[in-house]
Amino acid sequence: QVQLIQSGAEVKKPGASMKVSCKTSGYTFINYSFHWLRQAPGQRLEWMAWINPGNGNTKYSHNFQGRVTISRDTSATTAYMELSDLRSEDTAVYYCARGLGAGSYTPFDYWGQGTLVTVSS
Amino acid sequence: DIQMTQSPSSLSASVGDRVTITCQASQDINNFLNWYQQKPGKAPKLLIYDVSTLETGVPSRFSGSGSGTDFTFSISSLQPEDIATYYCQQYEDLPLSFGGGTKVEIK
Repeated sequence: QVQLIQSGAEVKKPGASMKVSCKTSGYTFINYSFHWLRQAPGQRLEWMAWINPGNGNTKYSHNFQGRVTISRDTSATTAYMELSDLRSEDTAVYYCARGLGAGSYTPFDYWGQGTLVTVSS
Repeated sequence: DIQMTQSPSSLSASVGDRVTITCQASQDINNFLNWYQQKPGKAPKLLIYDVSTLETGVPSRFSGSGSGTDFTFSISSLQPEDIATYYCQQYEDLPLSFGGGTKVEIK
């Protein structure tokens, strides 16, 4: 069965960087797009970025002003999301999600369990 | 950016009631509209994509309709396991965006 398993919770100081991983299994990694989203406490879901695991193409939300970088390791069937220059408002649960197809414009049919990142001095 | 507006933000209904949630996009999204269910402490779950297509395994009491900028999500007969927050999401344009959510509770 399709599984997306994310790395564990993190506590970071303002200005630091964070990197979350998402290990996949149960499907052909390069055939489906991969997205990163987040949900701050009590807030709506927010889309951050997309990667095509097959060719490595990426697209980012302008709302992160260049602070987010996503990547993948096809041999490990794992995707990564790095967010730099962390601020308190980056405190959120971060999710990886598989796209229902290879493109960037897709529904999200499988999700990771979420990774809580807390930014605090 | 496309703004998604959901209403109501919360509702309370009895088991067996019909529940309806609306979602309005700030521009025509060409029916690229999905609905998700999120239970507390869990990741969202895709229920409906492309306005009205039920994801595999989703009960038929869930349905969606609409076009252009105005969309509706319904539960024909509310069940206790449907207690959750429901979100609409557009994928017409980047950044992909979600509505603010509707929290459904049992009366």
